Amino acid sequence: EIVLTQSPATLSLSPGERATLSCRASQSVSSYLAWYQQKPGQAPRLLIYDASNRATGIPARFSGSGSGTDFTLTISSLEPEDFAVYYCQQRSNWPGTFGQGTKLEIK
Amino acid sequence: QITLKESGPTLVKPTQTLTLTCTFSGFSLSTSGVGVGWIRQPPGKALEWLALIYWNDDKRYSPSLKSRLTITKDTSKNQVVLTMTNMDPVDTATYYCAHRGRVRFFDYWGQGTLVTVSS
Repeated sequence: EIVLTQSPATLSLSPGERATLSCRASQSVSSYLAWYQQKPGQAPRLLIYDASNRATGIPARFSGSGSGTDFTLTISSLEPEDFAVYYCQQRSNWPGTFGQGTKLEIK
Repeated sequence: QITLKESGPTLVKPTQTLTLTCTFSGFSLSTSGVGVGWIRQPPGKALEWLALIYWNDDKRYSPSLKSRLTITKDTSKNQVVLTMTNMDPVDTATYYCAHRGRVRFFDYWGQGTLVTVSS
């Protein structure tokens, strides 16, 4: 089973700042990685799929990069609604494991 | 517009079997490439992928839970059913069903249903 390790566990930033979240896989997942956003009491929302493709309706301030084992989610300028928990997920190998999440909180 | 909704008991006793139903609209589970999966999330914890069923009835299960899980579909009713046997308090979680389509990740999710396992 592929293990996804997200860092940092918590990221404290202010609105307008740039956020950089990391996801590292225990073995190569090629580009088969997605990012989800989850707000309290809500289901996850797909942001990025196949490492760098924005899902439908996702603002351009969200971008993804990486391949193989190292991936990054970047939020170029934080809006108040972006403070949430972010998960990465791979679909290279079954089961499609999730990372443990990064909580993005307001500083 | 794709929507999914989970239904089932909110409370089950240890050793009982949990049966959850995902009722969806806006897509057909007979369309090539489409799948519906179940994912759970214990309170305050991360997401865990449980099972997935494809349009062609191919089924995949979490290796750690495979012996306890069964996923089925009823295409005519637009439903997917997950059963989990021998429930334990550690299975307390919000259970989500989700659509897996062209992008091959979960792009539409239900609202989730909280299942508590307690005597």
